[in-house]
This record gives sequence, structure tokens and C-alpha cells, in this order.
Amino acid sequence: AQSVTQLGSHVSVSEGALVLLRCNYSSSVPPYLFWYVQYPNQGLQLLLKYTTGATLVKGINGFEAEFKKSETSFHLTKPSAHMSDAAEYFCAVRSMNRDDKIIFGKGTRLHILP
Amino acid sequence: SQTIHQWPATLVQPVGSPLSLECTVEGTSNPNLYWYRQAAGRGLQLLFYSVGIGQISSEVPQNLSASRPQDRQFILSSKKLLLSDSGFYLCAWTGSYNEQFFGPGTRLTVL
Repeated sequence: AQSVTQLGSHVSVSEGALVLLRCNYSSSVPPYLFWYVQYPNQGLQLLLKYTTGATLVKGINGFEAEFKKSETSFHLTKPSAHMSDAAEYFCAVRSMNRDDKIIFGKGTRLHILP
Repeated sequence: SQTIHQWPATLVQPVGSPLSLECTVEGTSNPNLYWYRQAAGRGLQLLFYSVGIGQISSEVPQNLSASRPQDRQFILSSKKLLLSDSGFYLCAWTGSYNEQFFGPGTRLTVL
């Protein structure tokens, strides 16, 4: 069965500093992996996705993530944090059942310090 | 392009009252549709999903129900709300790579 673990329910970084949000997955087959962002009182927005091909995936708002099969990781990074990046971030993996479900991590709330 | 709508945006209901939340999708046909709930400070909980008209699968037994009367319409209902039904309800549909696209959500407060 697939699963997703996000390390750290809260992460704080200073404005201009590197953002690193960690995600490890469990999947018995090559996974499809996703990162979503949620701003307060809004729905989730797809940041980026890995399906096949290049393991470094670029997304919106300057974020990127690298699929590392040997480490079963899909960490999200951004070189320089901006105040507008403060939000909750969810890592997710596609279910391999026929129901098209996605397995979400519990989320990491990113705080940006001035 | 595809668009997903949810209404109402916010709702305050007394305990024991009925509920009807609606979700509609535009720009796609025969989508897989999902209802999620986020309780305060908690992650996403999948409530129902549907692969077609009249086809509903329930993930969590509770006093909520879902229906899909039309291809692009998904409705979440309850006959009698509980305090524990308060939360943020999200509708979503599935894209080509199983990525899900979410609606703006409905904030439900049960008093």
C-alpha cells in the first residue's frame, strides 16, 4: 500500500532563506508524486508533479522537487523564501488501485519569519 | 479549461439541521469526483468518491451521504448535522496523471 510521510508539521524559515520541506513515500511500483499548497480558507493548488522522466521537477512560484528513488523521497525546495510562501503544503502519491485516489501526507505548515 | 465550483462558500447551521453542499465541474466529461473534509488543524480526510453517475463509494461511515445526479455534479448531504461535522469541505476531480484539482471549498460551522 502507498503512504506518504511529511517530516515536520511546522517549519519556520527566514525571508530570503532556503525552503526545504521533506516528504518520503512508500510505493511498490514507480510512483506518481505531487506537491500541493493551501492558503488559508482556500482549496489546494497543485504546485508540481512527478510522473516519469526528469527527476528534478519545477513548479509554480519558484518551487522545485527532486524525485530520489533510492531514498524514496520527494523533497520540496525553494532557494529564497518570500512572505507570500506562508501556507500549508501537502505531499501526495497516486494510489495504484483503479479508483484514482491520491494518498496525502498530513501537511507541513510553512512560516516565514521577517 | 476546466473549472470546479463549490457553493456555498460559508455556511452556519444548527445541530440537527439538514445539509446540502454542491460541486460542479466544467470543461471535462466523466470526471472522477471526490469529497474531502479538513477539520481544524487536521489533514485531508477523503469522504466519498464517484467514478460515474449514480456511483458513490464511501470511505468513512458517518451521517453524511453523497450523490451524483449528473455527470459533472456532486452533492454532499446530511439529514441531521452533528457538531463534529464542522470543517472545511473540498470537492476535487482527477486529471490525466491522477493529480487532483480542487474547488475553493465550503466552510461549515455547526453550532
